Order: sequence, then structure tokens, then C-alpha cells
Amino acid sequence: EIVMTQSPATLSVSPGERATLSCRASQSVSSNLAWYQQKPGQAPRLLIYGVSTRATGIPARFSGSGSGTEFTLTISSLQSEDFAIYYCQQSNNWPPFTFGQGTKLEIK
Amino acid sequence: QLVEPGGGLVQPGGSLRLSCAASGFTFSSYALNWVRQAPGKGLEWVSAISASGGSTYYADSVKGRFTISRDNNKNTVYLQMNSLRAEDTAVYYCAKDVRQYQLLGALDYWGQGTLVTVSS
Repeated sequence: EIVMTQSPATLSVSPGERATLSCRASQSVSSNLAWYQQKPGQAPRLLIYGVSTRATGIPARFSGSGSGTEFTLTISSLQSEDFAIYYCQQSNNWPPFTFGQGTKLEIK
Repeated sequence: QLVEPGGGLVQPGGSLRLSCAASGFTFSSYALNWVRQAPGKGLEWVSAISASGGSTYYADSVKGRFTISRDNNKNTVYLQMNSLRAEDTAVYYCAKDVRQYQLLGALDYWGQGTLVTVSS
């Protein structure tokens, strides 16, 4: 099973600033990497899949990059609605699809 | 849209069937998944079923106890859960794969979730 590790666990950033979230896989996941956003009491929302493809309706301030085992989600200018928990997920070697433990993005 | 009634309280060793009714897309063209989230914890993929229903996949933690199925005439996917344990307590989400006819594993539409509590 591929283990996904996200860092940091909590990231404090001011509105308008850039946020960079990291995700590392225990072995290569090729380009089969997705990012989700989850707010309290809500279902997750797909942001990015295939490392860098934004899902329908996702603003351009969200971008994904990386390859192999190291991936990054960047939010270029944080809006108030972006403060949430973010999960990465691999779908290269499955089952199972595996998620990272999450990064909580909080207001500084 | 994905709507999941069917959660609730069940005793250890008991059974429960979750359902997820879909609308707004061509149900029979997409793989469906179940993902769960224990209280205060992260996301755990549970099971997936191909668009036709001919292929099913499970996490090791539920293999042999849970069964995923779908009825493409009723636009509904099911999760039959048997031999339930306390550690199965979670919010269960159904989620649709982003790509037609493939199990890409990227999940673009999710239900609101249903809470399953396993406790005596």
C-alpha cells in the first residue's frame, strides 16, 4: 500500500498571501495524484487531479505540480473561503486509493 | 447530485445497507466509490465499483465483510456492511469518478455523507 504523507500538519497564512502544501508518496504514483478541500461538516471537494488539472469550477488560484513522489498544491492568493483541510490522494497503485492525513490551512 | 440515506446506529456484529441515489449525470457511465471518515479523522477509501458493475474493489479493512453493488436502472449504488465493528464507525460518503468508463480514482462529486455508528 502506498503511504501518502502531507506537510505541514497545520499551515498558518494571512489572507492574500500564497500557501504551499506538500505531499509525498512512499513510492512513485506517476501523475495519478489528486487534491481535495474539506470544510467542517461538508463533504470533500475535488480541486486538482492528474497532478495539475483543475476540476470543474475550481478557481485558477489553485494549482498543482510535481511528479513521481513529491507534489505541491499552491494557492496563489488566499481568500477567506480557502481556509480548510486539504488532502492529497493517489490512484496509481490500487486498491486501495490512499489519502494523506491532511493539512489544516488556518488564518494567521 | 448524490444522496445517501440509510445510516444509523447498529450493534457490533450487526449489518446495515447504505444506499446512494444519483441524479444529474449518466449514472451508468461512471464508476462509484465509498469513502469513509471516522470522527475527527482523515479520509479512508472503502470500495469502488466499475460503471457496468462488473468489477468491484475493496480496502483490506472491509474485504469479506462489505459488498458494493449498483443498480443502473435505479441510478443507485449500495454498500452492504456485515459483521460491523466499532472501528467502522464513520461518516460514509459515496463519490463519483471524474472520468467516464474509467476508474481513475479522482472523485468529483460526493454525497453529503451518512453517519454509521457501531456501538452496543
